Amino acid sequence: EAGVAQSPRYKIIEKRQSVAFWCNPISGHATLYWYQQILGQGPKLLIQFQNNGVVDDSQLPKDRFSAERLKGVDSTLKIQPAKLEDSAVYLCASSLVAGGRTDTQYFGPGTRLTVL
Amino acid sequence: DAKTTQPNSMESNEEEPVHLPCNHSTISGTDYIHWYRQLPSQGPEYVIHGLTSNVNNRMASLAIAEDRKSSTLILHRATLRDAAVYYCILRDVDDYKLSFGAGTTVTVRA
Repeated sequence: EAGVAQSPRYKIIEKRQSVAFWCNPISGHATLYWYQQILGQGPKLLIQFQNNGVVDDSQLPKDRFSAERLKGVDSTLKIQPAKLEDSAVYLCASSLVAGGRTDTQYFGPGTRLTVL
Repeated sequence: DAKTTQPNSMESNEEEPVHLPCNHSTISGTDYIHWYRQLPSQGPEYVIHGLTSNVNNRMASLAIAEDRKSSTLILHRATLRDAAVYYCILRDVDDYKLSFGAGTTVTVRA
């Protein structure tokens, strides 16, 4: 079974530039998550999709971050304009069902973003 | 979110057992205890979860205290591949997200 795919793996940009990350979840998984992981910390949820609808985006800095999940499959996360503090690893995860106490999330390898 | 407390780091020798403690004194009766780990340069991966009884799978064992205020993840024979950050996470019925703390960094010596 193919895992969660993400691209690119690495990205270096200058502040105020824009950047986009792509995620392809495990086939058949209805729920997709984007997490941000700053160096030395655990991942923090940015946004959750159930099929192509947003369930929770309360932690997404909406003035600069946006995300979409077209047709309930692939997703893109965009930052425009980027700030230095956006330097982090951006992780995509998917799960079969809509969360809950026993639902397992499967993570991709992440995209490491460096903002100069 | 219910909170967990883990040591910052632990060291082990290869092929020896590793016992990773997690304190969760404010756990509610409906919280499940989940463990994920993150290998270097990879995303987190699921290890094990439990509610009240001890659990075993091919990766590890989870021992849960009778009062559920603490638990221990047991790696029976550590290998170099087990070097990772291990996260102990509580999840209630409506917890769709995983609330990660800083975790425990496990180092395995050859």
